[in-house]
Amino acid sequence: DAKTTQPPSMDCAEGRAANLPCNHSTISGNEYVYWYRQIHSQGPQYIIHGLKNNETNEMASLIITEDRKSSTLILPHATLRDTAVYYCIVSRGSNYKLTFGKGTLLTVNP
Amino acid sequence: EAQVTQNPRYLITVTGKKLTVTCSQNMNHEYMSWYRQDPGLGLRQIYYSMNVEVTDKGDVPEGYKVSRKEKRNFPLILESPSPNQTSLYFCASSRRENNEKLFFGSGTQLSVL
Repeated sequence: DAKTTQPPSMDCAEGRAANLPCNHSTISGNEYVYWYRQIHSQGPQYIIHGLKNNETNEMASLIITEDRKSSTLILPHATLRDTAVYYCIVSRGSNYKLTFGKGTLLTVNP
Repeated sequence: EAQVTQNPRYLITVTGKKLTVTCSQNMNHEYMSWYRQDPGLGLRQIYYSMNVEVTDKGDVPEGYKVSRKEKRNFPLILESPSPNQTSLYFCASSRRENNEKLFFGSGTQLSVL
């Protein structure tokens, strides 16, 4: 599976949009981009995933560049409860294993 | 409510004393797996199961056993725990067709003295 690169930490003001970048320059054509988050020692929570088109759900939006080498997770109106480690994972479907890296610690400040 | 339930939430034990961490899901998921999480090492997969009676090793299976006799349950067994198995453990499940959209349990913090 392709490797991902994320900044180790980011800050965001409450109520503002949080934009979390992820670089996956070695992604191949059949690999998806997944985003999970983990709030302090809780089980990771699935957020969103996509292949090439931008995706949106009730939690977030996922913007994938046209060359698919990078993506951005957008939390449109961050709250204090969004403070968590966010993991960007690239994996082909039916891989039966997700490889979690170190992720980005997003801190939402009041 | 759809959920993955792990028990216990916290467990302190001594070296060599067999233990089982239970995991149950109520979503009729075919796929289940176990991860351990350690500081600086992130989440690592221990074992996974694609369906009843089908299990396979993940990245760090040494010292662990699993079984999948029923679809909903996937217990993690430590026959002879050692201190290096002190960790935070997570069970996860998903549908087979979209097995990377995982639902995780709340975790089990295990300390082996």
